[in-house]
Amino acid sequence: AQSVTQPDIHITVSEGASLELRCNYSYGATPYLFWYVQSPGQGLQLLLKYFSGDTLVQGIKGFEAEFKRSQSSFNLRKPSVHWSDAAEYFCAVGDYKLSFGAGTTVTVRA
Amino acid sequence: DSGVTQTPKHLITATGQRVTLRCSPRSGDLSVYWYQQSLDQGLQFLIQYYNGEERAKGNILERFSAQQFPDLHSELNLSSLELGDSALYFCASSASFGQGYGYTFGSGTRLTVV
Repeated sequence: AQSVTQPDIHITVSEGASLELRCNYSYGATPYLFWYVQSPGQGLQLLLKYFSGDTLVQGIKGFEAEFKRSQSSFNLRKPSVHWSDAAEYFCAVGDYKLSFGAGTTVTVRA
Repeated sequence: DSGVTQTPKHLITATGQRVTLRCSPRSGDLSVYWYQQSLDQGLQFLIQYYNGEERAKGNILERFSAQQFPDLHSELNLSSLELGDSALYFCASSASFGQGYGYTFGSGTRLTVV
């Protein structure tokens, strides 16, 4: 069975500070991993995805994620957050059928 | 605009009623997926169609059904509605039936059952 755990329900970060969101997954084979962002009242936008190859993946909006097979993790990072990064972030695993984590809400303080 | 169109954006209906949610996939995409997002269950995969045929089923209740039409738009039918069916329903589309082809979400239909 496939599943995702996002340990942090809510993170508050200062504008300009770095951000790291944690994601641990369970999957029977080589995982397809994703990070999505959802702003209030909006749909989910794909930030980045990992299928194979380089374990450090670059995405949109300055985000990157690192796949660590030994730790079953796919953590999302951004070196310097902007106020517009305040949103809910979802990690997901799967192929045609995605399993999502419960999400991490990011609040950015001035 | 993601290219995936969902209508209506908001729907308020009474318990016991039946509603239909509509999704037009991104141009050229053959696969359509339906997801339910609720506070207690999070994001749950419901069902997938590929080129008119059902390909995969997730946590979809028997009261719910879906179909994909020849023009590739899809409809999700929810019947005998209960208060617990209140949720955000998302449609997503992809060129084929695997993630390697990308997966684009619509902005969702917010269903409120009163």
